[in-house]
Amino acid sequence: GNSVTQMEGPVTLSEEAFLTINCTYTATGYPSLFWYVQYPGEGLQLLLKATKADDKGSNKGFEATYRKETTSFHLEKGSVQVSDSAVYFCALLTGTASKLTFGTGTRLQVTL
Amino acid sequence: NAGVTQTPKFQVLKTGQSMTLQCAQDMNHNSMYWYRQDPGMGLRLIYYSASEGTTDKGEVPNGYNVSRLNKREFSLRLESAAPSQTSVYFCASSELGTGKETQYFGPGTRLLVL
Repeated sequence: GNSVTQMEGPVTLSEEAFLTINCTYTATGYPSLFWYVQYPGEGLQLLLKATKADDKGSNKGFEATYRKETTSFHLEKGSVQVSDSAVYFCALLTGTASKLTFGTGTRLQVTL
Repeated sequence: NAGVTQTPKFQVLKTGQSMTLQCAQDMNHNSMYWYRQDPGMGLRLIYYSASEGTTDKGEVPNGYNVSRLNKREFSLRLESAAPSQTSVYFCASSELGTGKETQYFGPGTRLLVL
């Protein structure tokens, strides 16, 4: 079956530090890959996505590249801000009934 | 344009009580979903409705029922609540499945079962 593994948190960084959150996946077929973000007390919202191998998704300074050869979709940002503090979820979607499979989430805390 | 709305925001139940969580979307999406979020486990799919008039089980359907009332509304019912159903419940919607579409989430319902 499908599964997503992402690095354990929490991740604590100082403002302007470089961020990497690792995500690897197992899937049949050719999934689409997503990063969702959940700010405190809110629902999930899409951060970025990539729908085929070698695609790069980007938004708000965050980037992730769909690597089929390593089955990975690592999230990166060059300079984090306090406002980036949230829980980040990696997820994959396969064509069958559009069911999202989520990783367990990584909490990011950014301090001044 | 409210997106996906959920009611109630918070609920406390006693074991054995029943309740219905309501979800509505105004984006004219065909597909709707119910997830639960538990610490350390990410989100898990309870039930989904690929289109109006259809519903299917997800990963963790036991103890729940759903109704796709119309294209806009998708409700989740707990017939006899158990402490193991203490969780945060999220509803989501998306376009008809192509395998590439974004799901849009509601703000969640926090449920505590005593």
